[in-house]
Amino acid sequence: DAGVTQSPTHLIKTRGQQVTLRCSPISGHKSVSWYQQVLGQGPQFIFQYYEKEERGRGNFPDRFSARQFPNYSSELNVNALLLGDSALYLCASSLVGNYGYTFGSGTRLTVV
Amino acid sequence: GQQVMQIPQYQHVQEGEDFTTYCNSSTTLSNIQWYKQRPGGHPVFLIQLVKSGEVKKQKRLTFQFGEAKKNSSLHITATQTTDVGTYFCAGRNFGNEKLTFGTGTRLTIIP
Repeated sequence: DAGVTQSPTHLIKTRGQQVTLRCSPISGHKSVSWYQQVLGQGPQFIFQYYEKEERGRGNFPDRFSARQFPNYSSELNVNALLLGDSALYLCASSLVGNYGYTFGSGTRLTVV
Repeated sequence: GQQVMQIPQYQHVQEGEDFTTYCNSSTTLSNIQWYKQRPGGHPVFLIQLVKSGEVKKQKRLTFQFGEAKKNSSLHITATQTTDVGTYFCAGRNFGNEKLTFGTGTRLTIIP
C-alpha cells in the first residue's frame, strides 16, 4: 500500500501569493491532519478533518484554510503568504480514535 | 492552551551510552504518543501509551506514562548510530482528537 503522499515536495512563492498543498491519505484512513513545522521546532497543529468535516483547528490565522474531499484526500490553502509561513507542511492520516499518525514526507514551502 | 515540553532540547552521547528524554504536559492527557524524526525526514510513529503508569518496550526503547498522565519518558539503552534523530512526544486531551507535539529532543551520537 502507498503511504501518505503529498504534493508538491518543494515550492517557492512570493509574499502575498496564494498556495495550495495536497495530501492523499493511506487507503482506509478517513482522518487527515495538517501540521506546520518550522526548522528546529515541533510540528504545530493546523487542522484536522474527518469525513469531510473540520474536527479541529489550531491557532493559525484565517489565511489558512483546508478541506477534505469524498475520497478523503485533502487540500491546505494559504492566502496572502508571509515570510513567516516558510516551513515544512506535513499531512498525517490516521484511523479514527486513538491511533498513531502516518505522516507524509511534507511540502517544503519557501516564501521570498 | 495545552503545552507539551520536553527536556533536554539536545543530547549528545557516545555510541553505546544510554539516552533519556522527558515529556511534560500542562494538562492531563488521555494518551501520549512518541515519534522519531530523522534529519531531513518526517515524524514516524513509534508507540502510544494510554494507561496510567503504563510501561512499554520496543527492543532497546522503553516508554513510560506517568501515574498522573501528565508526563512520559523515552529511554534508549546502548545507543546506536541509527538512533540519531529528534524524538517528539505528542499528547491528546480527553474529548479532543487534536494531537499536540512536544518541543522535541535532538539526539546525536558520537561514534
